[in-house]
Amino acid sequence: EDQVTQSPEALRLQEGESSSLNCSYTVSGLRGLFWYRQDPGKGPEFLFTLYSAGEEKEKERLKATLTKKESFLHITAPKPEDSATYLCAVQPPSNTGKLIFGQGTTLQVKP
Amino acid sequence: NAGVTQTPKFQVLKTGQSMTLQCAQDMNHNSMYWYRQDPGMGLRLIYYSASEGTTDKGEVPNGYNVSRLNKREFSLRLESAAPSQTSVYFCASSEGGNTDTQYFGPGTRLTVL
Repeated sequence: EDQVTQSPEALRLQEGESSSLNCSYTVSGLRGLFWYRQDPGKGPEFLFTLYSAGEEKEKERLKATLTKKESFLHITAPKPEDSATYLCAVQPPSNTGKLIFGQGTTLQVKP
Repeated sequence: NAGVTQTPKFQVLKTGQSMTLQCAQDMNHNSMYWYRQDPGMGLRLIYYSASEGTTDKGEVPNGYNVSRLNKREFSLRLESAAPSQTSVYFCASSEGGNTDTQYFGPGTRLTVL
């Protein structure tokens, strides 16, 4: 069964304290892996798409990487405004267009 | 360019009542989706429309119907609401194709009493 697991469920960091969020998946023939940011009371906001192992993408303090079994979202020197829930989703080959989401990691960055 | 819009933002229903959630996108996307988000369950696909004129069931379709009214609009109907349908509902759209990005609306928070 296709599955996405994110860890940790919650993460508290001090401002400037770098860390990583993990997204593990069991999908054969991955078509794409997506990272979203979700603020309370709002819809998910697209961050990155990764297609193949070894691929990396960056945006400001965020960098996403992909291996054959997992993806990491690295947060360098986070600021309080980076506080949000980060969602990972995969697109399996048998379901064109459909995404399978993980449960998310809620990040809190304290000043 | 508003992206994906949803109405209403909030709704309270009594068990057995019906209602339609509206979604529209102005990005000329081919595919549209309806998800529900519940604590501890993540986002789950209810129905999707790969292109105008087609709809397919997702992971949790029971109790819902959809209509792809035209390329821009995709509505979700609850014929007889149940407390188990209390959730936050998100609409999303994408260009369509094998691997593409979905863009989400702001959500509708629905409570069924």
